[in-house]
Amino acid sequence: QKEVEQDPGPLSVPEGAIVSLNCTYSNSAFQYFMWYRQYSRKGPELLMYTYSSGNKEDGRFTAQVDKSSKYISLFIRDSQPSDSATYLCATKSGGSYIPTFGRGTSLIVHP
Amino acid sequence: SAVISQKPSRDICQRGTSLTIQCQVDSQVTMMFWYRQQPGQSLTLIATANQGSEATYESGFVIDKFPISRPNLTFSTLTVSNMSPEDSSIYLCSVEASGSYEQYFGPGTRLTVT
Repeated sequence: QKEVEQDPGPLSVPEGAIVSLNCTYSNSAFQYFMWYRQYSRKGPELLMYTYSSGNKEDGRFTAQVDKSSKYISLFIRDSQPSDSATYLCATKSGGSYIPTFGRGTSLIVHP
Repeated sequence: SAVISQKPSRDICQRGTSLTIQCQVDSQVTMMFWYRQQPGQSLTLIATANQGSEATYESGFVIDKFPISRPNLTFSTLTVSNMSPEDSSIYLCSVEASGSYEQYFGPGTRLTVT
């Protein structure tokens, strides 16, 4: 079992939809949770960063962590075609500099 | 945050040759990382490079194949040696911002080996 599992998609939604992207992880020592957005032919861009359980909101984006079920989510409200990208989740423990990445989910928002 | 640039952005190389990729950061950072990303795959860590010490390589990656330099706190290079078509990939430089656990990535170098 991989440490971080993420459905590669693609996930195709109409413009304006609420998007839910999800990952599961297996290591209970993970305490830091990140979401990266990667446009085609670009490097990953840090989108959201959270510590431990709970929600964090930034504009149209909400990151949610449920440590009891080892489940992390990214919600995108009022999705736009410009949100079309690959979204990678990542986690790491407090004692490590190195995150463990999921495979990424390809999101397509069509007009 | 940190702004990272990489050179070259892309290259097409012949089998058996070597390519050196440069990574420049706009601020001093302790930790620099080199990743590889193959099409449709996630990020694979090649090595961690700290200034003033030897790079630490992950399982499956060796110094002879991927020598790394880290001469100061804002710069690093990764060389892909004796290339084969299997080395065709995107190579990404990454840093952990000082005083933060946040990790940032460069734009990547797209390497094609023929």
